[in-house]
Amino acid sequence: EVQLLESGGGLLQPGGSLRLSCAASGFTFSDYAMSWVRQAPGKGLEWVSGIVGSGGTTYYADSVKGRFTISRDNSKNTLYLQMNSLRAEDTAVYYCAKDLSYYSNGWYSIYFDLWGRGTLVTVSS
Amino acid sequence: QYVLTQPPSVSAAPGQKVTISCSGSSSNIGNNYVSWYQQLPGTAPKLLIYDNNKRPSGIPDRFSGSKSGTSATLGITGLQTGDEADYYCGTWDSSLSRVFGGGTKLTVL
Repeated sequence: EVQLLESGGGLLQPGGSLRLSCAASGFTFSDYAMSWVRQAPGKGLEWVSGIVGSGGTTYYADSVKGRFTISRDNSKNTLYLQMNSLRAEDTAVYYCAKDLSYYSNGWYSIYFDLWGRGTLVTVSS
Repeated sequence: QYVLTQPPSVSAAPGQKVTISCSGSSSNIGNNYVSWYQQLPGTAPKLLIYDNNKRPSGIPDRFSGSKSGTSATLGITGLQTGDEADYYCGTWDSSLSRVFGGGTKLTVL
């Protein structure tokens, strides 16, 4: 079955660190870019970070740049998000998503065709 | 706050048609493809439309997408109570990478 399963969420204090994992199955993991997308309680979706299939290039939203690190282990079909210096505004459900993108005729196509169920991260004192 | 602007809510009766708009600029929608996602209550988002108007396998043709200039539209015909959800548009932005709209809550009256 094609699926993504996140883990690692929890409750922690401001300034703390946490590592999220996302286990992929049912597709050739190394062939695809992956992203983390988060959703604060009652709010919309926010793209957080992305990584290409080889792991050689990573991308970050300005809101997390310098604090979060995305990585992947293609031998374990697993995506990670290391989150440091956490803030209350990082509280959200974090989804991993299979990230399909290509560039054609001067246009970018970016979309997420498979999502995990999410893991909740709560940052509170 | 969101680069792409969507109406907070829309509503229509069962069996009717509804459209949801997504407005951007030349740095995002105007020069890139748009995707749409459905998020049923308490669940993860699900891809509905990609490349402006293409449907993934398994998505019924009641769902359609279109784009004109710097705006995109999601259309849903034959509304069902099971369509009640939040709907999000997404695209590439030349300055911000991947971006989403703020979401639209669909109520089927």
